[in-house]
Amino acid sequence: KQEVTQIPAALSVPEGENLVLNCSFTDSAIYNLQWFRQDPGKGLTSLLLIQSSQREQTSGRLNASLDKSSGRSTLYIAASQPGDSATYLCAVNDYKLSFGAGTTVTVRA
Amino acid sequence: NAGVTQTPKFQVLKTGQSMTLQCAQDMNHNSMYWYRQDPGMGLRLIYYSASEGTTDKGEVPNGYNVSRLNKREFSLRLESAAPSQTSVYFCASSTNGGRETQYFGPGTRLLVL
Repeated sequence: KQEVTQIPAALSVPEGENLVLNCSFTDSAIYNLQWFRQDPGKGLTSLLLIQSSQREQTSGRLNASLDKSSGRSTLYIAASQPGDSATYLCAVNDYKLSFGAGTTVTVRA
Repeated sequence: NAGVTQTPKFQVLKTGQSMTLQCAQDMNHNSMYWYRQDPGMGLRLIYYSASEGTTDKGEVPNGYNVSRLNKREFSLRLESAAPSQTSVYFCASSTNGGRETQYFGPGTRLLVL
Protein backbone atom coordinates (compact mmCIF):
# COMPACT_ATOMS: atom_id res chain seq x y z
CA LYS A 1 0.00 0.00 0.00
CA GLN A 2 1.38 3.35 -1.05
CA GLU A 3 2.14 5.69 1.86
CA VAL A 4 2.63 9.40 1.19
CA THR A 5 4.14 11.72 3.79
CA GLN A 6 4.44 15.49 3.76
CA ILE A 7 6.74 17.26 6.17
CA PRO A 8 6.37 19.77 7.71
CA ALA A 9 2.64 19.84 8.44
CA ALA A 10 2.74 23.65 8.67
CA LEU A 11 5.11 26.40 7.60
CA SER A 12 5.15 30.16 8.18
CA VAL A 13 7.49 32.43 6.21
CA PRO A 14 7.85 36.18 5.57
CA GLU A 15 6.84 37.51 2.18
CA GLY A 16 9.57 37.18 -0.43
CA GLU A 17 11.16 34.07 1.02
CA ASN A 18 11.37 30.94 -1.13
CA LEU A 19 9.22 28.01 -0.07
CA VAL A 20 10.37 24.38 -0.09
CA LEU A 21 7.71 21.71 0.43
CA ASN A 22 8.59 18.04 0.72
CA CYS A 23 6.75 14.88 -0.23
CA SER A 24 7.93 11.30 0.19
CA PHE A 25 6.34 8.04 -0.96
CA THR A 26 7.05 4.38 -0.31
CA ASP A 27 6.48 2.64 -3.66
CA SER A 28 8.41 3.98 -6.65
CA ALA A 29 6.25 2.17 -9.24
CA ILE A 30 4.19 5.23 -10.10
CA TYR A 31 2.73 6.78 -13.24
CA ASN A 32 3.06 10.36 -12.06
CA LEU A 33 2.96 12.69 -9.09
CA GLN A 34 0.70 15.68 -8.76
CA TRP A 35 0.84 18.79 -6.57
CA PHE A 36 -2.44 20.45 -5.59
CA ARG A 37 -3.36 23.64 -3.81
CA GLN A 38 -6.36 23.81 -1.46
CA ASP A 39 -7.73 27.05 -0.06
CA PRO A 40 -9.80 26.90 3.16
CA GLY A 41 -13.27 25.50 2.52
CA LYS A 42 -12.53 24.96 -1.17
CA GLY A 43 -11.74 22.14 -3.53
CA LEU A 44 -8.37 21.14 -4.93
CA THR A 45 -6.63 22.95 -7.76
CA SER A 46 -3.98 21.10 -9.74
CA LEU A 47 -0.65 22.97 -9.81
CA LEU A 48 1.80 20.64 -11.48
CA LEU A 49 1.88 17.07 -12.74
CA ILE A 50 5.21 15.28 -13.19
CA GLN A 51 5.22 12.11 -15.23
CA SER A 52 7.35 9.24 -13.91
CA SER A 53 9.80 9.73 -16.77
CA GLN A 54 10.37 13.40 -15.90
CA ARG A 55 12.74 14.93 -13.38
CA GLU A 56 11.01 18.25 -12.95
CA GLN A 57 8.15 20.46 -14.09
CA THR A 58 7.88 24.24 -13.97
CA SER A 59 5.00 26.71 -14.08
CA GLY A 60 5.74 30.36 -13.37
CA ARG A 61 7.15 30.67 -9.84
CA LEU A 62 6.52 26.98 -9.16
CA ASN A 63 9.00 24.20 -9.77
CA ALA A 64 8.50 20.58 -8.79
CA SER A 65 11.17 17.88 -8.86
CA LEU A 66 10.76 14.12 -8.76
CA ASP A 67 13.28 11.50 -7.69
CA LYS A 68 11.51 8.17 -8.09
CA SER A 69 14.43 6.07 -6.90
CA SER A 70 14.50 7.78 -3.51
CA GLY A 71 10.71 8.24 -3.35
CA ARG A 72 10.82 12.02 -3.05
CA SER A 73 9.33 15.10 -4.63
CA THR A 74 9.92 18.73 -3.76
CA LEU A 75 7.78 21.75 -4.62
CA TYR A 76 9.64 25.06 -4.77
CA ILE A 77 7.73 28.34 -4.75
CA ALA A 78 9.95 31.32 -5.52
CA ALA A 79 9.52 34.76 -3.94
CA SER A 80 6.46 33.84 -1.87
CA GLN A 81 3.47 36.18 -1.64
CA PRO A 82 0.59 36.36 0.87
CA GLY A 83 -1.65 34.95 -1.86
CA ASP A 84 0.38 31.73 -1.74
CA SER A 85 -1.05 31.00 1.71
CA ALA A 86 -2.92 27.70 1.37
CA THR A 87 -2.56 23.97 1.98
CA TYR A 88 -0.42 22.13 -0.55
CA LEU A 89 -1.09 18.47 -1.17
CA CYS A 90 0.98 15.97 -3.09
CA ALA A 91 -0.62 12.89 -4.62
CA VAL A 92 1.10 9.85 -6.07
CA ASN A 93 -0.58 8.11 -8.96
CA ASP A 94 -0.08 4.35 -9.27
CA TYR A 95 -3.37 4.12 -11.15
CA LYS A 96 -5.17 5.51 -8.13
CA LEU A 97 -4.21 8.69 -6.33
CA SER A 98 -2.73 8.39 -2.84
CA PHE A 99 -2.58 11.71 -1.01
CA GLY A 100 -0.34 13.12 1.65
CA ALA A 101 -1.96 15.00 4.54
CA GLY A 102 -0.66 18.32 3.21
CA THR A 103 1.52 21.23 4.28
CA THR A 104 -0.30 24.37 5.39
CA VAL A 105 1.63 27.46 4.33
CA THR A 106 1.24 30.95 5.77
CA VAL A 107 3.08 33.80 4.05
CA ARG A 108 3.31 36.85 6.34
CA ALA A 109 3.11 40.31 4.77
CA ASN B 1 -17.62 24.97 -18.67
CA ALA B 2 -18.63 24.42 -15.05
CA GLY B 3 -16.10 21.59 -14.64
CA VAL B 4 -17.08 19.32 -11.73
CA THR B 5 -20.14 20.33 -9.72
CA GLN B 6 -21.40 18.83 -6.45
CA THR B 7 -24.66 19.15 -4.57
CA PRO B 8 -25.41 19.88 -1.82
CA LYS B 9 -22.62 22.10 -0.50
CA PHE B 10 -23.47 21.39 3.12
CA GLN B 11 -25.74 18.87 4.86
CA VAL B 12 -26.58 17.93 8.42
CA LEU B 13 -27.95 14.44 9.06
CA LYS B 14 -29.05 12.52 12.09
CA THR B 15 -27.57 9.07 12.74
CA GLY B 16 -29.41 6.48 10.67
CA GLN B 17 -30.72 8.87 8.02
CA SER B 18 -29.86 8.33 4.37
CA MET B 19 -28.81 10.75 1.67
CA THR B 20 -27.29 10.91 -1.79
CA LEU B 21 -24.46 13.21 -2.80
CA GLN B 22 -24.61 14.25 -6.42
CA CYS B 23 -21.70 14.89 -8.77
CA ALA B 24 -21.67 15.92 -12.43
CA GLN B 25 -18.94 16.83 -14.88
CA ASP B 26 -19.18 18.52 -18.26
CA MET B 27 -15.69 17.72 -19.55
CA ASN B 28 -16.64 14.46 -21.29
CA HIS B 29 -14.41 12.54 -18.90
CA ASN B 30 -14.64 8.76 -18.70
CA SER B 31 -13.42 8.28 -15.12
CA MET B 32 -14.97 9.64 -11.94
CA TYR B 33 -14.04 9.35 -8.26
CA TRP B 34 -15.36 9.94 -4.76
CA TYR B 35 -12.99 10.91 -1.92
CA ARG B 36 -13.41 11.87 1.68
CA GLN B 37 -11.13 14.32 3.48
CA ASP B 38 -10.64 14.18 7.24
CA PRO B 39 -8.37 16.42 9.32
CA GLY B 40 -4.76 15.26 9.30
CA MET B 41 -5.45 12.30 7.00
CA GLY B 42 -5.41 13.69 3.49
CA LEU B 43 -7.93 12.47 0.93
CA ARG B 44 -8.96 8.82 0.80
CA LEU B 45 -10.63 7.13 -2.14
CA ILE B 46 -14.11 5.73 -1.43
CA TYR B 47 -15.22 4.47 -4.86
CA TYR B 48 -14.31 5.12 -8.44
CA SER B 49 -15.74 4.52 -11.88
CA ALA B 50 -13.17 3.93 -14.58
CA SER B 51 -15.81 4.23 -17.30
CA GLU B 52 -19.57 4.41 -17.70
CA GLY B 53 -21.16 1.24 -16.43
CA THR B 54 -18.32 0.22 -14.09
CA THR B 55 -17.64 0.95 -10.43
CA ASP B 56 -14.95 -0.29 -8.04
CA LYS B 57 -14.15 0.00 -4.38
CA GLY B 58 -11.42 2.26 -3.16
CA GLU B 59 -9.66 2.41 0.18
CA VAL B 60 -12.67 3.15 2.45
CA PRO B 61 -15.90 1.86 0.79
CA ASN B 62 -17.74 0.56 3.86
CA GLY B 63 -21.04 2.34 4.53
CA TYR B 64 -21.29 3.78 1.00
CA ASN B 65 -22.78 2.86 -2.35
CA VAL B 66 -22.32 4.52 -5.72
CA SER B 67 -24.14 4.77 -9.02
CA ARG B 68 -22.66 5.82 -12.33
CA LEU B 69 -25.92 7.14 -13.75
CA ASN B 70 -24.45 8.08 -17.13
CA LYS B 71 -21.17 9.43 -18.43
CA ARG B 72 -21.70 12.81 -16.72
CA GLU B 73 -23.05 11.82 -13.31
CA PHE B 74 -21.68 9.79 -10.40
CA SER B 75 -23.61 9.70 -7.12
CA LEU B 76 -22.58 8.59 -3.65
CA ARG B 77 -25.21 7.21 -1.25
CA LEU B 78 -25.09 6.84 2.50
CA GLU B 79 -27.79 4.32 3.42
CA SER B 80 -27.59 4.74 7.20
CA ALA B 81 -25.39 7.64 8.20
CA ALA B 82 -23.03 7.32 11.16
CA PRO B 83 -21.06 10.03 13.03
CA SER B 84 -17.84 8.49 11.63
CA GLN B 85 -19.01 9.61 8.18
CA THR B 86 -18.77 13.27 9.17
CA SER B 87 -16.32 14.54 6.62
CA VAL B 88 -15.81 16.62 3.51
CA TYR B 89 -16.59 14.69 0.34
CA PHE B 90 -14.95 15.48 -2.98
CA CYS B 91 -15.85 14.24 -6.42
CA ALA B 92 -13.24 14.23 -9.18
CA SER B 93 -13.01 13.25 -12.81
CA SER B 94 -10.31 12.49 -15.37
CA THR B 95 -10.14 11.78 -19.08
CA ASN B 96 -9.23 8.18 -18.49
CA GLY B 97 -8.15 6.72 -15.18
CA GLY B 98 -4.58 6.05 -14.27
CA ARG B 99 -2.14 8.51 -15.75
CA GLU B 100 -4.35 11.54 -16.20
CA THR B 101 -4.83 14.69 -14.17
CA GLN B 102 -7.88 14.61 -11.93
CA TYR B 103 -10.15 17.63 -11.65
CA PHE B 104 -11.96 18.20 -8.39
CA GLY B 105 -15.34 19.61 -7.42
CA PRO B 106 -15.80 22.14 -4.58
CA GLY B 107 -16.79 19.51 -2.01
CA THR B 108 -19.77 18.66 0.19
CA ARG B 109 -19.45 19.18 3.93
CA LEU B 110 -21.42 16.51 5.79
CA LEU B 111 -22.14 16.57 9.52
CA VAL B 112 -23.75 13.49 11.08
CA LEU B 113 -25.12 14.03 14.56
